[in-house]
Amino acid sequence: DTAVSQTPKYLVTQMGNDKSIKCEQNLGHDTMYWYKQDSKKFLKIMFSYNNKELIINETVPNRFSPKSPDKAHLNLHINSLELGDSAVYFCASSQDGGRGGGYTFGSGTRLTVV
Amino acid sequence: AQTVTQSQPEMSVQEAETVTLSCTYDTSENNYYLFWYKQPPSRQMILVIRQEAYKQQNATENRFSVNFQKAAKSFSLKISDSQLGDTAMYFCASLTYNTDKLIFGTGTRLQVFP
Repeated sequence: DTAVSQTPKYLVTQMGNDKSIKCEQNLGHDTMYWYKQDSKKFLKIMFSYNNKELIINETVPNRFSPKSPDKAHLNLHINSLELGDSAVYFCASSQDGGRGGGYTFGSGTRLTVV
Repeated sequence: AQTVTQSQPEMSVQEAETVTLSCTYDTSENNYYLFWYKQPPSRQMILVIRQEAYKQQNATENRFSVNFQKAAKSFSLKISDSQLGDTAMYFCASLTYNTDKLIFGTGTRLQVFP
């Protein structure tokens, strides 16, 4: 069983469209995250949720909205996609904020906006 | 502010040799964790090794070990007996108790050649 699974793995879409990326973890972790990896491979945290409550909300455009229906799921919805949104988006989860065990990452979603 | 710096964008090593990847970090907190993650071409983020700041003993995981110098805020990764499968991007990361936010360095691309 995949511990942290993201769908889709690849997403190609046109500018202006709205898209969602889904994430599910079966580890029983209490916190989930979204990271963005840009073309230079730099990883930056976007959001984190702890038991469905938003904990971290970094400076990202309002077009990005996370939604956590329960503690095992954290989805990312992106409105009015722009060329600069092209990146790999990683979902991750952790227990106790990752102290000791770190974060477990999904395999990423490569988003290409054309 | 919490920052992580990896000053080596690229490294290469011959199979079976030893290589050391550098990492320095900055934090004003006393309680934190440090990690090395590996990202092979498959894109998956894989936890390689972790170190609790309050432990003086350097962490080891099979062929991977760290040199943790707390006063110097240095956390290097040593890979012994390098294998072709070690070819990947390696990211150093820090996690502080207060922020519960895993912050990554810019990564080092390691190429292991036969």
